[in-house]
Amino acid sequence: QVQLQASGPGLVKPSETLSLTCTVSGDSISSYYWSWIRQPPGKGLEWIGYIYNSASTNYNPSLKSRVTISVDTSKNQLSLKLSSVTAADTAVYYCARGTVGLTSGWGQGILVTVSS
Amino acid sequence: EIVLTQSPGTLSLSPGERATLSCRASQSVSSNNLAWYQQKPGQAPRLLIYGASSRATAIPDRFSGSGSGTDFTLTISRLEPEDFAVYYCQQYGDSPYTFGQGTKLEIK
Repeated sequence: QVQLQASGPGLVKPSETLSLTCTVSGDSISSYYWSWIRQPPGKGLEWIGYIYNSASTNYNPSLKSRVTISVDTSKNQLSLKLSSVTAADTAVYYCARGTVGLTSGWGQGILVTVSS
Repeated sequence: EIVLTQSPGTLSLSPGERATLSCRASQSVSSNNLAWYQQKPGQAPRLLIYGASSRATAIPDRFSGSGSGTDFTLTISRLEPEDFAVYYCQQYGDSPYTFGQGTKLEIK
């Protein structure tokens, strides 16, 4: 059974870059689609983007200019970088496995707060 | 971008009752690529239904999905105490893949 564990700083300053890592166990990062999804506190879900075949990506146009999703196959890890963050980027960030935009296995999520 | 509108915002029911949740799309969802997720407080969402009507692995048969085009429904035939949660629909037919705003199913 696949397990996903997100990690990274819980606090990021405005204008800086948010960087998160998702460690995948029980499955190869070279298979499936791997997504990032976020949820502001008390609000709904927003799809950020996905990567598949270790290099092909698709991003939400609302975030595309600031987002990079990549994988490290040697570590079986997925990463997310979001630049020029503001308070509006405060959210729980989830990594998830699936096919195209459908996600069937989610990590537990990590809360990232943007504040000085 | 396809906008999904869920109704009602909050649904108050008792265990044993039937729940009907609605999801309406601003345009037709490609190939009925519509999913439903359940989220409990402090937890990640869990996939319940995909392809509008197919149950995900290990999902009890009291959960069923229906609909096509722009109108979709999640039905829980007889509510169990563990079913009280927030439910989201998501379309994954056209990028960007979007979610509804959620329906909170609460105990009456």
